[in-house]
Amino acid sequence: ELKVEQNPLFLSMQEGKNYTIYCNYSTTSDRLYWYRQDPGKSLESLFVLLSNGAVKQEGRLMASLDTKARLSTLHITAAVHDLSATYFCAGGYLGDKLIFGTGTRLQVFP
Amino acid sequence: GAVVSQHPSRVICKSGTSVKIECRSLDFQATTMFWYRQFPKKSLMLMATSNEGSKATYEQGVEKDKFLINHASLTLSTLTVTSAHPEDSSFYICSARAQGGTSGSNEQFFGPGTRLTVL
Repeated sequence: ELKVEQNPLFLSMQEGKNYTIYCNYSTTSDRLYWYRQDPGKSLESLFVLLSNGAVKQEGRLMASLDTKARLSTLHITAAVHDLSATYFCAGGYLGDKLIFGTGTRLQVFP
Repeated sequence: GAVVSQHPSRVICKSGTSVKIECRSLDFQATTMFWYRQFPKKSLMLMATSNEGSKATYEQGVEKDKFLINHASLTLSTLTVTSAHPEDSSFYICSARAQGGTSGSNEQFFGPGTRLTVL
């Protein structure tokens, strides 16, 4: 069964710095999602990656997918405080359930 | 578009009572809805998958008699926590997948969640 792991689990970074969150998955997954969750809130969809080599960017966040390495990354550029949240990746198959990673709690400080 | 609502957003109940949580897709038809449970600072754990008009499929370790799921229409699924106990206190999130999907993405749209506290 598909297993999804993220690292780091917790990330404290200074404003203006860059960092990458990694998402590894155990078996073939034909799609990879990234979500953001603010405290006490539900999930906000950030990116859907459907194919090998897919890269998507929105503001200071960029997600990529390498299906051969079974790896997706979420890169943060020049972090700002508003990006503080928990980020989840999730893998799955068309028509099937999503399997979520452990989550990465990001804290951006001045 | 693709809005999913949950009701109630927050509920506090006494131990031994039953609580019903509703999940509605407001502007699309959802053949499949999912129910997740999330403990503080933890990831989402899938509890069950519900398909309109058929019995829900529960994940291993989830008591189907404890967590009753009904997906009576293409826009409504309900989760009833029967004889709730303090250990059932959690954040419950539903999601809905649009009939036919969206550009092959199979994207699920998440509800705002329901925080259940059992005293």
